[in-house]
Amino acid sequence: DAGVTQSPTHLIKTRGQQVTLRCSPKSGHDTVSWYQQALGQGPQFIFQYYEEEERQRGNFPDRFSGHQFPNYSSELNVNALLLGDSALYLCASSYRTGAPGELFFGEGSRLTVL
Amino acid sequence: DAKTTQPTSMDCAEGRAANLPCNHSTISGNEYVYWYRQIHSQGPQYIIHGLKNNETNEMASLIITEDRKSSTLILPHATLRDTAVYYCIVRARDDKIIFGKGTRLHILP
Repeated sequence: DAGVTQSPTHLIKTRGQQVTLRCSPKSGHDTVSWYQQALGQGPQFIFQYYEEEERQRGNFPDRFSGHQFPNYSSELNVNALLLGDSALYLCASSYRTGAPGELFFGEGSRLTVL
Repeated sequence: DAKTTQPTSMDCAEGRAANLPCNHSTISGNEYVYWYRQIHSQGPQYIIHGLKNNETNEMASLIITEDRKSSTLILPHATLRDTAVYYCIVRARDDKIIFGKGTRLHILP
């Protein structure tokens, strides 16, 4: 059973560019959350998607947007990249309903903005 | 903001029990206590969670005080592979997970 998979694993962009990161949730999971983790810091919540809609959002600007597809996979888009967007971007999946359980995290996509 | 307070770092000898404390004095009745850990450059890994009863699984034990204002994660026989940052989180059902700074646990040979 594949866990949460993310792509690409590493990428380099320049300021002002746009980036799209992809996430496939663990089999059977219907909810996807995205986190940004700067070096030496804990992960920061960006947003959560369920039933193809953004359900919760953290304190991130509109440059950060997302999408969830009917197969529950998700994309994170970041426009007008800044140097400060350099970070590890983590995707986590879970069941929306039922007993509260764990979030499964992927290994992340490491973005470097030059 | 994170609703938990943890020590910045801790050391534990290999083979001994590692006891990681967490304070969550403002926890609500519907919030669970979760523990995750993150080994360098990897995604966070779920360890255990509980509501008010003590819990045990193959990785660890979670002891929650009767007033639920604090908890302790116990790794019964720590190994070098347990060196990681450990995050204590309180979370209501379906709510987002908010990470704090966590505890950096060093297992000493």
